[in-house]
Amino acid sequence: AQTVTQSQPEMSVQEAETVTLSCTYDTSESDYYLFWYKQPPSRQMILVIRQEAYKQQNATENRFSVNFQKAAKSFSLKISDSQLGDAAMYFCAYKGGGADGLTFGKGTHLIIQP
Amino acid sequence: NAGVTQTPKFRILKIGQSMTLQCTQDMNHNYMYWYRQDPGMGLKLIYYSVGAGITDKGEVPNGYNVSRSTTEDFPLRLELAAPSQTSVYFCASRSHQSSYEQYFGPGTRLTVT
Repeated sequence: AQTVTQSQPEMSVQEAETVTLSCTYDTSESDYYLFWYKQPPSRQMILVIRQEAYKQQNATENRFSVNFQKAAKSFSLKISDSQLGDAAMYFCAYKGGGADGLTFGKGTHLIIQP
Repeated sequence: NAGVTQTPKFRILKIGQSMTLQCTQDMNHNYMYWYRQDPGMGLKLIYYSVGAGITDKGEVPNGYNVSRSTTEDFPLRLELAAPSQTSVYFCASRSHQSSYEQYFGPGTRLTVT
């Protein structure tokens, strides 16, 4: 079974600075999808960014970008110009070829210091 | 578009009671999912459905049942509630045309005492 590991339970960054959240995963598949979801205190799960494993180019969405290292099975999220509204739990998730549904990491709690 | 809606938002059950968590989506999505999120953990898949009349088990199905009689609705049934089922439950859906991107409901916080 695939596993997703987020080694940073909590991260703190100053407003307007850049922060990188780490995610590694274990899989024997070559074709899969990776996601970062944001969960603010409201509990709503919000998709931040998506990466297809067959694409070499790293995905970017405005201030959010990923560093996808397929050989290393690493998928980190970089948030540039951090804003107070970025404070939330961030979950890395994997979708491979097995049972439908996403496999989630345990999450990283991101704190934004004003 | 309301997206994915879940009812109730909160519920307290006594051990041994039963209840149904409701989930409805108005996006005409074929795929629907139920996850649970325990404190300090990521979401774990309970059951999923690839279309009306078709359901399958996820990672943690024990103690739960589902049905999918329509495209819109995917209720989750707890028959004999146990304290281990205290959790936040999320319903999600996606289109068969999407790159597996799932849209989530707001969650139901369930406490079993």
